[in-house]
Amino acid sequence: KQEVTQIPAALSVPEGENLVLNCSFTDSAIYNLQWFRQDPGKGLTSLLLIQSSQREQTSGRLNASLDKSSGRSTLYIAASQPGDSATYLCAVKRAGGTSYGKLTFGQGTILTVHP
Amino acid sequence: NAGVMQNPRHLVRRRGQEARLRCSPMKGHSHVYWYRQLPEEGLKFMVYLQKENIIDESGMPKERFSAEFPKEGPSILRIQQVVRGDSAAYFCASSPPASGNNEQFFGPGTRLTVL
Repeated sequence: KQEVTQIPAALSVPEGENLVLNCSFTDSAIYNLQWFRQDPGKGLTSLLLIQSSQREQTSGRLNASLDKSSGRSTLYIAASQPGDSATYLCAVKRAGGTSYGKLTFGQGTILTVHP
Repeated sequence: NAGVMQNPRHLVRRRGQEARLRCSPMKGHSHVYWYRQLPEEGLKFMVYLQKENIIDESGMPKERFSAEFPKEGPSILRIQQVVRGDSAAYFCASSPPASGNNEQFFGPGTRLTVL
């Protein structure tokens, strides 16, 4: 059974800092990994998707890396801003089988960036 | 291109009533997924559907819950005889036909409160 863990559970930083969010998963047979952002009381916004054959993806100030063999992904946020404050979720999709479409989520990291 | 749409956004039911949650996927998307987010818990997969077919319902409670995605119209998640423990945010996601990028796009969610 796939389990996804995110560390830290919460993070509070001053504006301008570079920061790293960590995600680990127990089963390396994944199809892809997605990072999402969730604002309080809102839905999920997809930030980055990394296919299992890729090592990293970048979008603006965000960079996500994937080390499938060790079961780890990191989300790097450069020059953080108060508007980055949200819960960040990592989710993996298993390769093959009947659970092809299903995403398994971590518990999330609650990020607060203060001015 | 409108995103994934869910309605209602908020739903209040008394114990024993039925709840119907609707999800319209993004245009061109033929895969629909339902997830549940209980208070203070992470998102959990419930069911994965394609048009007129349930592909994976491994996350659905065995009783009172059902889902459909008819040939025409939105996907429906139906909860019969609701109980207080059903209070949660229910999210729908959609993805395009399985060819390469299977990124899932999420709707804003339906927040169900059972009194």
